[in-house]
Amino acid sequence: SFVLTQPPSVSVVPGQTARITCGGNSIGSKIVNWYQQKPGQAPLLVVHDDSDRPSGIPERFSGSNSGNTATLTISRVEAGDEADYYCQLWDSSGGHLYVFGPGTKVTVL
Amino acid sequence: QVQLVQSGADVQKPGASVKVSCQASGYTFTGFYLHWVRQAPGQGLEWMGWINPNSGRTKYEQKFQGRITMTRDMSINAVFMEVSRLTSEDTATYYCVRALQGFAPGALGHWGQGTRVTV
Repeated sequence: SFVLTQPPSVSVVPGQTARITCGGNSIGSKIVNWYQQKPGQAPLLVVHDDSDRPSGIPERFSGSNSGNTATLTISRVEAGDEADYYCQLWDSSGGHLYVFGPGTKVTVL
Repeated sequence: QVQLVQSGADVQKPGASVKVSCQASGYTFTGFYLHWVRQAPGQGLEWMGWINPNSGRTKYEQKFQGRITMTRDMSINAVFMEVSRLTSEDTATYYCVRALQGFAPGALGHWGQGTRVTV
């Protein structure tokens, strides 16, 4: 089954750029989605189909996916972006159909 | 707007069953998969399965097969998930989630508020 890896934590200064990676074997051949989860809240979809944003999500959130790494980029980081971020993909070839990464805690310093 | 309202918190003993409900509104109920995702305290997200509210067909994550049952009631636009033979490892928040795009196995676009189940 497909295994996704994420760094446990990323720290960033307000106004700078945060990059959160999601690693997996040939993940570039899959479609990756990203979710933001703030403490005590349900997750929120912030990027889907590698690089599309749902309505209402700021343009500061962008995604890319190539080779063995998918990346969520948060530009001009704000204090309100502090959250856990999870990557996720659909893998029809394995026993685990919907696979989530372990999550990355983004801390805004 | 899309709304998924779930049943309240529940406490069960080991070996018992729990049934969580999810009331959908703001869109065509039969037009989108509804999924269940759970999150143990302090842990990550775990997909459990989906139900097609139109046909009632289901797809379960392998590890839950034989222990979960997803159903729907089209008359009230609701889906249900029952988990049987509960253990302490089933203590988690359970989320009802609507697919972003119809019946494509893609992004999970709209999340319920979650139901905390304690075993």
